Amino acid sequence: DIQMTQSPSSLSASVGDRVTITCQASQDITNYLNWYQQRPGKPPKLLIYDASNLETGVPSRFSGSGSGTDFTFTISSLQPEDIATYYCQHYDNLPLTFGGGTKVEIK
Amino acid sequence: QVQLQESGPGLVKPSQTLSLTCTVSGGSISSGSYYWNWMRQPAGKGLEWIGRIYTSGSTNYNPSLKSRVTISVDTSKNQFSLKLSSVTAADTAVYYCARWVYHGMDVWGQGTTVTVSS
Repeated sequence: DIQMTQSPSSLSASVGDRVTITCQASQDITNYLNWYQQRPGKPPKLLIYDASNLETGVPSRFSGSGSGTDFTFTISSLQPEDIATYYCQHYDNLPLTFGGGTKVEIK
Repeated sequence: QVQLQESGPGLVKPSQTLSLTCTVSGGSISSGSYYWNWMRQPAGKGLEWIGRIYTSGSTNYNPSLKSRVTISVDTSKNQFSLKLSSVTAADTAVYYCARWVYHGMDVWGQGTTVTVSS
C-alpha cells in the first residue's frame, strides 16, 4: 500500500493568513493526488484533483501543487468557513489511501 | 443532482455481519462510468477506503478487509450495499458511501454511525 504522510497534523492561523499543508507519498504517484475538506460532522468534500486542478465551484483561494512524491495544498487567505480537517488521497493504484489529516483552526 | 444516503443498523453485535445500503437518488446507478465506494472513519480518526463496485458489477476491495467484505449492487432499487462479516469493536466507525468519477470522489453520503457492541 502507498502511505500518505501529511504535515502538520494541526495548525492554528489567523483570518487572512496563508496556510500550507504538505503531503508525501511513499512512492511516486505522478499527479494522482486529491485534496478533500471535511468540516465537523460532515462528509469530505473534493477540493483539488490531479494535484492541482480546482473542482468546480471551489473558491480560488484553494490551490494545490506537486508531483511524484511531494505535494502541497495552500489556502491563500484563510477564512472562518475554512475551519476543517484536510486530507490528501492518492489514486495511483489500489488500495486508495488517505493521509492522516490536518486540522485547521482559527487563532 | 445525484445524492447518496446510507442506511442500516446503528448497532451490531460482535462476530455478526454489518450490512449497510447506499441509495442513489437524482440519477441512475447504471448510467455513466462510475465507481461506487464505501469508506469508514473511526471517531476522531482518518479515512479508510473499504472497497468499490463499478457500474458493470466488478468489485475491488482493500486487502486489509478483503476476507470480510462484500459489495454488491441492486440496479432495480438504485442501491449498492456493503456487508462486513465477523465484526469487532475495531469496526466501530462512521461509514460513508461515495461516487468516484474519473478524478475523485465527488458525491458523498452524509455518513451513518455503526457501533459494534454486545
